[in-house]
Amino acid sequence: NAGVTQTPKFQVLKTGQSMTLQCAQDMNHEYMSWYRQDPGMGLRLIHYSVGAGITDQGEVPNGYNVSRSTTEDFPLRLLSAAPSQTSVYFCASSYDRDDEAFFGQGTRLTVV
Amino acid sequence: AQSVTQPDIHITVSEGASLELRCNYSYGATPYLFWYVQSPGQGLQLLLKYFSGDTLVQGIKGFEAEFKRSQSSFNLRKPSVHWSDAAEYFCAVGLSGGYNKLIFGAGTRLAVHP
Repeated sequence: NAGVTQTPKFQVLKTGQSMTLQCAQDMNHEYMSWYRQDPGMGLRLIHYSVGAGITDQGEVPNGYNVSRSTTEDFPLRLLSAAPSQTSVYFCASSYDRDDEAFFGQGTRLTVV
Repeated sequence: AQSVTQPDIHITVSEGASLELRCNYSYGATPYLFWYVQSPGQGLQLLLKYFSGDTLVQGIKGFEAEFKRSQSSFNLRKPSVHWSDAAEYFCAVGLSGGYNKLIFGAGTRLAVHP
């Protein structure tokens, strides 16, 4: 039981490049979310999903895409990376709305 | 708009001293409230939550928090701080109820002096 696994842990991108941040959970959780953490701003919700095939936008969705084809995986895609997307990204999952959310260890992304 | 305010960016306490971290929220409906802790380079760990019922909630590691609706506050307390409590603490409110969509405060970084 690995919990919530995020890959990679660190990534450096050039402006304009695209990439996918991976998030996988092995707990059969329906709810999954992506947050970004910036100094002095706490965590902000990017996108979330309440089950396979269902996604919705959070506070700061611009520049990011998500899809949820399986219960286990919830990848976050950066279409054209910008320096403003330099951040630490966290994925979280929970079995249900009222169950505890578990967070991954984070992906530190730098866009130069 | 919904928001969470943690007025203290940094707090320093001596080991063994008591601790109170402040959290105020703005949310129209009945709030689902949380406190998380983040150690350096780590993900977030849930300390405690309030959904309904008793307004004084107990969490892990000896922490407790009190929900005060009249003050829109959910302050975190610990009677005696240990050096291992040094970390960053985040207060959050669940927008749709529960853990699904969380709005976080900016965090309070706690330093503990020996």
